[in-house]
Amino acid sequence: NAGVTQTPKFQVLKTGQSMTLQCAQDMNHNSMYWYRQDPGMGLRLIYYSASEGTTDKGEVPNGYNVSRLNKREFSLRLESAAPSQTSVYFCASSSQGNYGYTFGSGTRLTVV
Amino acid sequence: QKEVEQNSGPLSVPEGAIASLNCTYSDRGSQSFFWYRQYSGKSPELIMFIYSNGDKEDGRFTAQLNKASQYVSLLIRDSQPSDSATYLCAPGPSGGSYIPTFGRGTSLIVHP
Repeated sequence: NAGVTQTPKFQVLKTGQSMTLQCAQDMNHNSMYWYRQDPGMGLRLIYYSASEGTTDKGEVPNGYNVSRLNKREFSLRLESAAPSQTSVYFCASSSQGNYGYTFGSGTRLTVV
Repeated sequence: QKEVEQNSGPLSVPEGAIASLNCTYSDRGSQSFFWYRQYSGKSPELIMFIYSNGDKEDGRFTAQLNKASQYVSLLIRDSQPSDSATYLCAPGPSGGSYIPTFGRGTSLIVHP
């Protein structure tokens, strides 16, 4: 089925561990985004990639890195996880124009 | 960055009533808006897009955009318990670099 696929769906990390969240879309979208969602804070943009080969910081980029591997894939890396990074992470993609975003199902990350 | 404000709620309405969800925005350059619905534990899904002043209807949903007053609203007629969710608004592209920003969302509860 067409859409945005995120892996893993759940993850528990210890403080200081690293991990990479994977995101892939098969809709030929140019733009891809990583958000985190915390209770009462809404969706906050971490990083985005307007097109293949480009990445830019969003509202809350500290502690994260991203890679736009190709047009389909956009990964988010936590180099040294902290409890403050406990959150639900959503990947999204969009084409140019007023078509909105398609979101992945999310990754629930807990850092202990 | 485009700012949008939403009352977090919860907004509680009886089944069959009209639910009215509102969003105000600060950027007068915003030309269009998206409404997303997010069920608890799920990812946001696009339900409405409006790009001109006035109303846009889709089934039981009506989006209203008032550029002079800088607000956008979503009306849900004949509300059903299955409409219980958080509703997020987000401005659409308005030229130049587009960094999507979401409101924090309004929680809607439709009780039988």
